Amino acid sequence: DAKTTQPPSMDCAEGRAANLPCNHSTISGNEYVYWYRQIHSQGPQYIIHGLKNNETNEMASLIITEDRKSSTLILPHATLRDTAVYYCIAITGNQFYFGTGTSLTVIP
Amino acid sequence: DVKVTQSSRYLVKRTGEKVFLECVQDMDHENMFWYRQDPGLGLRLIYFSYDVKMKEKGDIPEGYSVSREKKERFSLILESASTNQTSMYLCASRSRETQYFGPGTRLLVL
Repeated sequence: DAKTTQPPSMDCAEGRAANLPCNHSTISGNEYVYWYRQIHSQGPQYIIHGLKNNETNEMASLIITEDRKSSTLILPHATLRDTAVYYCIAITGNQFYFGTGTSLTVIP
Repeated sequence: DVKVTQSSRYLVKRTGEKVFLECVQDMDHENMFWYRQDPGLGLRLIYFSYDVKMKEKGDIPEGYSVSREKKERFSLILESASTNQTSMYLCASRSRETQYFGPGTRLLVL
């Protein structure tokens, strides 16, 4: 599975869009990009995933570059409850490995 | 909504005790997983199971065993708890597309 690189921390003003970047330059053609988040002391929560095309659901949008070497998770209108650690992973198989992720703080 | 539940949110045990952590999923998933999460180390896979009575070792199985007698239930057993097993334990269940995690059990071994 491809290694992913994320900034360790980010801030975002409440109500603004939060754009969380992820680098996965060694991703292979059949590896999906997944995003999860973990609020303190809780289990990771699935957000969204994609292969090539941009994806949107009720929680977020996922933008994957054409060469698939990077992606951005967009929370369109961040709220205080979006404060969490966000994990980007690239995977084909069964085993999900989470790195240290990006700690997002939404500021009132 | 997929639901993965774990028997306890917080647990305190003594060194040498046998510890059972239970996980139940309600979506008829075949694949289930146990991880532990420690600061700076991310998520590490202990064991997983792809069917009833089937189990596979993950990256750090030492000191642990598992049981999968029914499809919906996957148990993690610490045969003789040690202080280095103090951690957050996460159970997950996998659909065709993604993994769903339980709320976690924070275990403290004294």
